[in-house]
Amino acid sequence: LAKTTQPISMDSYEGQEVNITCSHNNIATNDYITWYQQFPSQGPRFIIQGYKTKVTNEVASLFIPADRKSSTLSLPRVSLSDTAVYYCLVGGSARQLTFGSGTQLTVLP
Amino acid sequence: GAGVSQTPSNKVTEKGKYVELRCDPISGHTALYWYRQSLGQGPEFLIYFQGTGAADDSGLPNDRFFAVRPEGSVSTLKIQRTERGDSAVYLCASSFGLATLDTQYFGPGTRLTVL
Repeated sequence: LAKTTQPISMDSYEGQEVNITCSHNNIATNDYITWYQQFPSQGPRFIIQGYKTKVTNEVASLFIPADRKSSTLSLPRVSLSDTAVYYCLVGGSARQLTFGSGTQLTVLP
Repeated sequence: GAGVSQTPSNKVTEKGKYVELRCDPISGHTALYWYRQSLGQGPEFLIYFQGTGAADDSGLPNDRFFAVRPEGSVSTLKIQRTERGDSAVYLCASSFGLATLDTQYFGPGTRLTVL
């Protein structure tokens, strides 16, 4: 399974756009990139998933360059409630999700 | 509809005791997963079921851990002779099927503390 590397922590202010980049140099051809969000005392929550280029939903955007060796989760205009741990995962047909340590995002007032 | 539910939310037990943790998946979801999360770490895969059968139990740490899903819905994770190192949050997730794009939906977890 491809290993991912992402920053341990990030700080931002309310109303700003936040970009969290994840490196996955050994991504395989059939691997998708998935991001989860986790609040304290809750299970992870699916945010967005993509294979290449750009994916956007009501919560976030995911940018994937042509070589797919990295990806960037973009959260527009964050609020205090976006403070959470964000996990980047890569995987294909294997059903078990492999989580790293994630990025602790802290949104400040 | 209801999400994935897990009971109990907290479980405190003594070293050497037996515990059972229950997971109720989203109705209609055929796949069910168990993960374990230690403090400050991401969740770690334990086992997953497709229907009633364990499709992959490669993440179970040793033979003290066992999980069942007898009717293809509710699942129970069983831990025998608990050890202090078993203390963690045990997460359950379910998905509609096993396709790559089938999202896993997680429950709130059971926090297990072994004294």
